[in-house]
Amino acid sequence: DAGVTQSPTHLIKTRGQQVTLRCSPISGHKSVSWYQQVLGQGPQFIFQYYEKEERGRGNFPDRFSARQFPNYSSELNVNALLLGDSALYLCASSLGDSNSYEQYFGPGTRLTVT
Amino acid sequence: GENVEQHPSTLSVQEGDSAVIKCTYSDSASNYFPWYKQELGKRPQLIIDIRSNVGEKKDQRIAVTLNKTAKHFSLHITETQPEDSAVYFCAAMETRYDKVIFGPGTSLSVIP
Repeated sequence: DAGVTQSPTHLIKTRGQQVTLRCSPISGHKSVSWYQQVLGQGPQFIFQYYEKEERGRGNFPDRFSARQFPNYSSELNVNALLLGDSALYLCASSLGDSNSYEQYFGPGTRLTVT
Repeated sequence: GENVEQHPSTLSVQEGDSAVIKCTYSDSASNYFPWYKQELGKRPQLIIDIRSNVGEKKDQRIAVTLNKTAKHFSLHITETQPEDSAVYFCAAMETRYDKVIFGPGTSLSVIP
């Protein structure tokens, strides 16, 4: 069974540019969450999607957006990149139903903004 | 919103000793509490979790306890081994929103 996958692994962008990160959940999982992890800190919740609907949003500016596709994969978009957006972006998937809350993380995308 | 605090920030123990990490949360509506282990350069890995209707859960050398009244939960690792060295994160989730709030992490070092 494949786990959560993310692409790309690493990315270098310039301030002001836009970036799209991708995530494929574990087969059968319908919920995808996105987190930002700055070095030395815990993951910070950005978005949660279930059945293509946004179900939760963290305290991030409108420059951050996401969507989920019919196959449950997801994209995270960040516009007008700032130096402070440099971080590891993690995607986590879960079944999304009330019987199972466990979230499993992908390997992350390391974003560097110069 | 939910806020999760975690102590200590660093912990060093001798191999074979026990390690305890403590967390507090602020939102009484939180009802699911996972613990993650993150080794350097790797993804967070779910190691154990507990729901609000349970006071204690154990899985081999790892146990978690929850005090809902005090809004405290703790991770206990017994008979520590060098491979237990990692950063451990506690988290709290209000399951209506699937929003997981993480603590700042505890860096555990197990000295052989």
